[in-house]
Amino acid sequence: GAGVSQSPSNKVTEKGKDVELRCDPISGHTALYWYRQSLGQGLEFLIYFQGNSAPDKSGLPSDRFSAERTGGSVSTLTIQRTQQEDSAVYLCASSLLLAGAANTGELFFGEGSRLTVL
Amino acid sequence: AQTVTQSQPEMSVQEAETVTLSCTYDTSENNYYLFWYKQPPSRQMILVIRQEAYKQQNATENRFSVNFQKAAKSFSLKISDSQLGDTAMYFCAFFSSGSARQLTFGSGTQLTVLP
Repeated sequence: GAGVSQSPSNKVTEKGKDVELRCDPISGHTALYWYRQSLGQGLEFLIYFQGNSAPDKSGLPSDRFSAERTGGSVSTLTIQRTQQEDSAVYLCASSLLLAGAANTGELFFGEGSRLTVL
Repeated sequence: AQTVTQSQPEMSVQEAETVTLSCTYDTSENNYYLFWYKQPPSRQMILVIRQEAYKQQNATENRFSVNFQKAAKSFSLKISDSQLGDTAMYFCAFFSSGSARQLTFGSGTQLTVLP
């Protein structure tokens, strides 16, 4: 696609429910990132996928959070047993990393999924 | 670990005037990249400008320019001839391909351009 696509755009759920957020990166981009943005805050790194390498999960806040990336393309972020503090905008970004080239860190972002946990 | 600090939570500027947003960072890396991203109400982060640390020349993109002071670890953004469409949250970000391969963001500055 032309850009990074995220769905749903908005999600309202009840405390304790599981949610899945989807990210479809720019075609051909090998790197995919998930960030969380709480109200009025900066972006908090969650997880990073690069090609077939093991993902960098160092930013996941708890074991209720997990993510997978199937076929090196679409990614799903899953939050189990949601809590009110999980309410935030979840942003996905992708970047192109060419073989043998330095990653310059330029990310292309989607519009985010706003999660509200009641 | 790298940290990025934006000390101005909110700023405003009159249309057509110039405004400077501040950013400082802390790192032990020598090779890295710095960015300014803009986030309008639509939520989509848009890259405004990028600076490679090994370049002494300050980056410019039309009305946007940076003042990169490597020794001081300072990276400010200057917006000239401000336009109403510049109203957005602006984030400073740091990236080093030598360590964790992720952007580290500051807390953001909400810029409002006044008519």
